[in-house]
Amino acid sequence: EAEVAQSPRYKITEKSQAVAFWCDPISGHATLYWYRQILGQGPELLVQFQDESVVDDSQLPKDRFSAERLKGVDSTLKIQPAELGDSAMYLCASSFGRAQSVSTDTQYFGPGTRLTVL
Amino acid sequence: AQKVTQAQTEISVVEKEDVTLDCVYETRDTTYYLFWYKQPPSGELVFLIRRNSFDEQNEISGRYSWNFQKSTSSFNFTITASQVVDSAVYFCALSGYSTLTFGKGTMLLVSP
Repeated sequence: EAEVAQSPRYKITEKSQAVAFWCDPISGHATLYWYRQILGQGPELLVQFQDESVVDDSQLPKDRFSAERLKGVDSTLKIQPAELGDSAMYLCASSFGRAQSVSTDTQYFGPGTRLTVL
Repeated sequence: AQKVTQAQTEISVVEKEDVTLDCVYETRDTTYYLFWYKQPPSGELVFLIRRNSFDEQNEISGRYSWNFQKSTSSFNFTITASQVVDSAVYFCALSGYSTLTFGKGTMLLVSP
């Protein structure tokens, strides 16, 4: 069964350091999402890609966060510098569709990266 | 703006009990989709069901059933004869013409 892959599963870092997370979506899925989930809350969208293009990054703190999906397949999310408040689960998801069907497509999630900033 | 409310923060039941997780939503979109996801302690969100706004038929899948009532903007989830493996956080989510919006989740604890 096809799955979304993420690495690392856990990351501990000190504040002001740089961290990077990697995601490989389900093969053939055009749309890739990065979410942040704070303990006790539901996931919140950080950035959405359709192929290699950013569709929505309105909630991405662009002063410290960056995301790329250069070849329209796998993706990297970076935080530099990390702050204490960035401690959370970072989830990657993918869905098959493009364009108008995107918001109605089922999103399939990876196992997440649990980030702890000390 | 769309909103999903899961008023039950935590529910505890004993194995074999039936349990219903509530979900109430708000949206101005005329076409929208509702989802339920399960998040076990391992952290991965597991897709359970998708329902569109034009299909109010209830759905049953094994021990799981869903009751969609557009009149009350609710999409409730029932687990029949709960099992310890059902212990997880369950999220209701909504998408229309904007991004997928999640509720805060309901933690279900099933004890033997």
